[in-house]
Amino acid sequence: DAGITQSPRHKVTETGTPVTLRCHQTENHRYMYWYRQDPGHGLRLIHYSYGVKDTDKGEVSDGYSVSRSKTEDFLLTLESATSSQTSVYFCAISVETGRSIQYFGAGTRLSVL
Amino acid sequence: KNEVEQSPQNLTAQEGEFITINCSYSVGISALHWLQQHPGGGIVSLFMLSSGKKKHGRLIATINIQEKHSSLHITASHPRDSAVYICAVRSLGNTPLVFGKGTRLSVIA
Repeated sequence: DAGITQSPRHKVTETGTPVTLRCHQTENHRYMYWYRQDPGHGLRLIHYSYGVKDTDKGEVSDGYSVSRSKTEDFLLTLESATSSQTSVYFCAISVETGRSIQYFGAGTRLSVL
Repeated sequence: KNEVEQSPQNLTAQEGEFITINCSYSVGISALHWLQQHPGGGIVSLFMLSSGKKKHGRLIATINIQEKHSSLHITASHPRDSAVYICAVRSLGNTPLVFGKGTRLSVIA
């Protein structure tokens, strides 16, 4: 998995609870991404980061926040989880955005009941 | 926003068949990616291309910039090729990738 670790791999939580997903890389790549994958949709970008403390919103950022205090870690937080956020979440890394290969983590399956 | 369309959505083939998966997009791009997602869920990058053709083993990717179209070909298909194949594009400018919905391929022995 090109030095990318997502944790946890599976999580079940209740509506209204906060949830934080972690992505850790050992490649020292500048760009990190959080995607969600749902049936009938392609991978959709939630947020991405282009450096420590530098982040930007993606296509489906409502209800999510991110933080990157170290190059190797990119955290995705659902402040108050909703059932519509039940999904598989993927983290990815790349040297630059779009014009270099993206390497993906193994994914986190989140169920919000 | 770039719209990425893949066809077919689903494809079943007999082992040994030549397979083509298509990807079209709506606005100019600087790069196109093909990725593979296995039944276990892991996603790996197969190709990144901005012109012409690339080949890796039995996989061939082509792109026609003028037609805004790319194809992924698999020669001598094998059951282990069964996966979802995903096309993604980077529009002109420093923008993140936009992904297609994927093509689910099943190769039957």
